[in-house]
Amino acid sequence: GAVVSQHPSWVICKSGTSVKIECRSLDFQATTMFWYRQFPKQSLMLMATSNEGSKATYEQGVEKDKFLINHASLTLSTLTVTSAHPEDSSFYICSARFPRGHNEQFFGPGTRLTVL
Amino acid sequence: KNQVEQSPQSLIILEGKNCTLQCNYTVSPFSNLRWYKQDTGRGPVSLTIMTFSENTKSNGRYTATLDADTKQSSLHITASQLSDSASYICVVSASSNSGYALNFGKGTSLLVTP
Repeated sequence: GAVVSQHPSWVICKSGTSVKIECRSLDFQATTMFWYRQFPKQSLMLMATSNEGSKATYEQGVEKDKFLINHASLTLSTLTVTSAHPEDSSFYICSARFPRGHNEQFFGPGTRLTVL
Repeated sequence: KNQVEQSPQSLIILEGKNCTLQCNYTVSPFSNLRWYKQDTGRGPVSLTIMTFSENTKSNGRYTATLDADTKQSSLHITASQLSDSASYICVVSASSNSGYALNFGKGTSLLVTP
């Protein structure tokens, strides 16, 4: 089956620092990847759609200068949380759209970010 | 507004028992409906995916149903196991000119106890 990985699985950082999270599709090429944020006991909230070779599309209310997204290849998208603050602490999940069939998205295992 | 409502919010059952989770949606135009299992601290894993013309689909002990007329879906878990403890999320996909948008339910938190 289609596999999506994320790295790191968890990260703890100081307030004001930047953190980069990687999302990789391991066995298929994905022209479109998605970044979600999930707070405890809440549903996944779409932050942005990452398109290979072009600028990401951000959802309303998501600061594009704070959450930098780069989709440099068909198997890799990165999310950089710049100048992180404690309120950015959350579970970040990426997904990659499978290129055939029902446009199914396969999700990564998530990255737990804790900002002190 | 596209919405996906799941019930119950949480559920506790004994190991070996069956249970049914519900999903009602108002998403339009409908493309497909998926059920995901999300273990704590992990990403969602797909259980089933159904299109408009499909009424039921099984994946092992998981059976999903879809009534496109009433816009309702259910996920039935048979002979529950401790490892079934997780959040189950109903996701309805809507088609649009720009592609497909996923609409997430808030999930049902299932706890299976010995």
